[in-house]
Amino acid sequence: SAVISQKPSRDICQRGTSLTIQCQVDSQVTMMFWYRQQPGQSLTLIATANQGSEATYESGFVIDKFPISRPNLTFSTLTVSNMSPEDSSIYLCSGGGGGQGGIDTEAFFGQGTRLTVV
Amino acid sequence: DAKTTQPNSMESNEEEPVHLPCNHSTISGTDYIHWYRQLPSQGPEYVIHGLTSNVNNRMASLAIAEDRKSSTLILHRATLRDAAVYYCILRAVGGSNYKLTFGKGTLLTVNP
Repeated sequence: SAVISQKPSRDICQRGTSLTIQCQVDSQVTMMFWYRQQPGQSLTLIATANQGSEATYESGFVIDKFPISRPNLTFSTLTVSNMSPEDSSIYLCSGGGGGQGGIDTEAFFGQGTRLTVV
Repeated sequence: DAKTTQPNSMESNEEEPVHLPCNHSTISGTDYIHWYRQLPSQGPEYVIHGLTSNVNNRMASLAIAEDRKSSTLILHRATLRDAAVYYCILRAVGGSNYKLTFGKGTLLTVNP
């Protein structure tokens, strides 16, 4: 199993500023993902964080707004840029596919970062 | 991604079994059936997954229809801690794509 820690757990930010969320996994994982969950809604995948290369974004999400880094197999960051109140949400990091790369292994999730933009 | 359909909500009494259904009529032969749940104010957690055969683990059982177009997550004795949103997700085998696409899920309420 893997334990995923996210920092910060919550933040209140001014519109127009940027926030970087950190995700640390306690073991190497093949894949890391970033999700957004708006209040009362399901999770929406933002992007796949690729080690050493540009992230792969889902439809509706762009790199300029959500730059992502993944320098190694245990760490990733998501930046929410030029924030507006519409960006208020919970952002979750996920990791899966352990060192052996088993295709059907489970995914692990952080507790999320609750972001409020005022 | 193949789509799943779940009831929006279900209710159960504590210590009774719960059967959570999921329809996935467009499932392909290479899709695994995964179940995750999300407790209040927490990230999702893995429950169980399977391909063709029924599966059991310490948390739950997964019953998969013979044609694989539906499945049922079984909680043998519901506890208050099992109150959560349960997500049924299809994930393709092959390549390196481990991403999970979440639907709306089923909100399970457990009554004391």
